[in-house]
Formats: sequence, structure tokens, C-alpha cells
Amino acid sequence: AQSVAQPEDQVNVAEGNPLTVKCTYSVSGNPYLFWYVQYPNRGLQFLLKYITGDNLVKGSYGFEAEFNKSQTSFHLKKPSALVSDSALYFCAVRAYNTDKLIFGTGTRLQVFP
Amino acid sequence: DAGVTQSPTHLIKTRGQQVTLRCSPKSGHDTVSWYQQALGQGPQFIFQYYEEEERQRGNFPDRFSGHQFPNYSSELNVNALLLGDSALYLCASSLGGQGDNYGYTFGSGTRLTVV
Repeated sequence: AQSVAQPEDQVNVAEGNPLTVKCTYSVSGNPYLFWYVQYPNRGLQFLLKYITGDNLVKGSYGFEAEFNKSQTSFHLKKPSALVSDSALYFCAVRAYNTDKLIFGTGTRLQVFP
Repeated sequence: DAGVTQSPTHLIKTRGQQVTLRCSPKSGHDTVSWYQQALGQGPQFIFQYYEEEERQRGNFPDRFSGHQFPNYSSELNVNALLLGDSALYLCASSLGGQGDNYGYTFGSGTRLTVV
């Protein structure tokens, strides 16, 4: 079965410090991986994706993610967190041979001033 | 360039009633997918419409049905509402059924509360 796991319900980080939000996946075939962010009462906003190529993917708002095939991970990172980064973050994988996304349960990022 | 538009933004229905949610895709997109996001959960895929046909379906009962119109807009219908249908319903549009290549754009959702 294809799935995505986000092991942390919440991540707390001080403003200016680096942040990491973890994601591991299980898929058939090549993984197509995504990160989305959700602010309160809003839909999902696309941050970045990995389809193929360089294992380090750069996305919106200074975020990046590292694809690690051997560890089946796709962790989201940012060198210096902002209070405005506080939101709910979802990792997702495209299900094999379909166009549907399978989402993790989400990680709430709280950045403290 | 308009993004994905969903209506209404909020809705309260009584158990057993029927509801229709609407979605207009991003300009230039022709594929619409619907997701259900229960409180504290990640979105769950309901189904996808492309070329006015249901192309893929998730693990949702037949009470959930949909439609796509020639202008690519879409409706999600839910019959015989249950309390457990209370959720944020998200619409995502893409091009040619290839969201991984061309990107998925999500709307802000419709918050459905069943009482």
C-alpha cells in the first residue's frame, strides 16, 4: 500500500533557527513527492515537489526539501524560520499510475519570536 | 488569472439532507479533483473528473457523486448526510490529468457542518 507518514504532530522552533519537518513515504514505482502548507481556514498552497533529478529541491518562501531514496524520506527544511511560517504542513505522494495525491496527517509548525 | 474558486465557503446541513458543492478550476485547467479533509486529518481523495467523466475514485461510498460541466467546472453531491461527513471539502484543479507535471492548484475549500 502506498502511504506517507509525518511522525511529528507539532514542531516548535525559535525564529531565526533552522527548521525541519519530517516525511517518509512508501510507494510503488518512482515517487512523486510534494509539500503543501495550509493556513487557518484556507486551502492548500504548493511549496515544492520532487519528480526526478537533483535530490535537493528548492521551493517557495525559502523552503527546500531533500529526497533520500535509501531512507525513503522527503524532509522539508528552511535555514532560518519566520514567525509567519507558523502553519500546518502536509507531505503528499502521487499514487502509482494515478493522478491522485495521498497526504500525510500533517505537522503543525509553531515558530516562536 | 483566477485561481480555484469554491462555493459556498461555509454550509450547515441537517443529517439526512443532500448537499451540492461547486468548484471552478483555475483558468487553463481542465481536470478537477475533490478531497475531504476531516478535522485534524490530511485530505482524502474522493474522485477526479476529466473530460466530463469520473476518472478515478477513492474509498468513498456511492452517496458521494459528482459532475463536470463542459466549461470544466464541477459539482460534488453528497446524499443522506451523516454527522461524519462534516469536513472541509477541497477542490484541486490540474491540466490533462497530470497534476504531477503541471501542478495541482487547490481552492480554499467549503466547510460543511452536519448537525
